[in-house]
Amino acid sequence: QQQVKQSPQSLIVQKGGISIINCAYENTAFDYFPWYQQFPGKGPALLIAIRPDVSEKKEGRFTISFNKSAKQFSLHIMDSQPGDSATYFCAAYSGAGSYQLTFGKGTKLSVIP
Amino acid sequence: DAGVIQSPRHEVTEMGQEVTLRCKPISGHNSLFWYRQTMMRGLELLIYFNNNVPIDDSGMPEDRFSAKMPNASFSTLKIQPSEPRDSAVYFCAILQGAGAEAFFGQGTRLTVV
Repeated sequence: QQQVKQSPQSLIVQKGGISIINCAYENTAFDYFPWYQQFPGKGPALLIAIRPDVSEKKEGRFTISFNKSAKQFSLHIMDSQPGDSATYFCAAYSGAGSYQLTFGKGTKLSVIP
Repeated sequence: DAGVIQSPRHEVTEMGQEVTLRCKPISGHNSLFWYRQTMMRGLELLIYFNNNVPIDDSGMPEDRFSAKMPNASFSTLKIQPSEPRDSAVYFCAILQGAGAEAFFGQGTRLTVV
């Protein structure tokens, strides 16, 4: 399987701070990069996604930054809240034949008051 | 979560027993995936189907694992015989639309004792 490397494994941020999670990929055939949020006892749910033709996408407090040449992308959570505490997964998808969605290993985010 | 229904939600079985996990996706999906989630290994892709046809089963850990998708509305993942190291949460997910958004079920928590 193609790999998507995610870091850090865990992250503790104070309320109001910025949470940053990084991912790197290898396969240049990937053409869609989603982030998923998972709460305990639930399946992952799509949070925000980006395609490689843009360098940044923002939705509310969540921003994806994408660096195509470095094959890296990151999730920024501004003004982090305790309700953001969850596990976050980056993923990469190739629609060119393989239809495979490959996930990073996840980052457990804890936002403390 | 309503787009993918998994059953059972929890399964406890003895080592050596056969286990069958079920997935009922909503209609209109392109692909169906089975993932396994553990603390150590994160989300691992086991197998995925496109138009009910298995495309890549290289993630299936051993011959003890098998998956079927007899129609677009039903898929099963079978483990026979089960072992304690198979204990994990198993997710079924579907991809829909050109945006390739994945919808996950709630998962089946399998414990093999």
